[in-house]
Amino acid sequence: NAGVTQTPKFQVLKTGQSMTLQCAQDMNHNSMYWYRQDPGMGLRLIYYSASEGTTDKGEVPNGYNVSRLNKREFSLRLESAAPSQTSVYFCASSEVQGAGQETQYFGPGTRLLVL
Amino acid sequence: GQSLEQPSEVTAVEGAIVQINCTYQTSGFYGLSWYQQHDGGAPTFLSYNALDGLEETGRFSSFLSRSDSYGYLLLQELQMKDSASYFCAVRPQTGANNLFFGTGTRLTVIP
Repeated sequence: NAGVTQTPKFQVLKTGQSMTLQCAQDMNHNSMYWYRQDPGMGLRLIYYSASEGTTDKGEVPNGYNVSRLNKREFSLRLESAAPSQTSVYFCASSEVQGAGQETQYFGPGTRLLVL
Repeated sequence: GQSLEQPSEVTAVEGAIVQINCTYQTSGFYGLSWYQQHDGGAPTFLSYNALDGLEETGRFSSFLSRSDSYGYLLLQELQMKDSASYFCAVRPQTGANNLFFGTGTRLTVIP
């Protein structure tokens, strides 16, 4: 099991460029998530997908779009990158177990620098 | 909404015990989770408290008191490899009920 994989690991963009961050999981999880992490800010939810075919906005969705391509894959697109989008992006998938416990499994992250 | 507060930094000596607190303001949640993240790495799940009280997993224990809106992670016999950031998180029972993370505590273990 690879778990959650993300590509690319690193990316440098110029302001206004677009790119898509790819994420895939092989754990047959229904729910998938995109977070960004900035120093001192913890993990902030950008978008999530509770199941194949559905997506919803999280805490900081502006400037991003997502696609839940199938149960395995959940991509994040920046249409016109801005320096404020410089961050580390994590994809996660989750399963809900007994007593309401939700365990999230994170990918290795994508480090994005927008110049 | 949800609010989870943690100290931003904690320093402790190798072999000692350290407690990382998490105080929260949230209306109804399933339980309190803890995640560990090493520098440059991804967050990984550590523990979950569905009920009040102490849960022990090896050197790590986690505690929840819903009446006090408070929880903590206790790390015993600290090792250098425990230097990392630790995040508490809750899953609300209403709304989107996704995990909501605190801002994290950076633990530095010194010799």
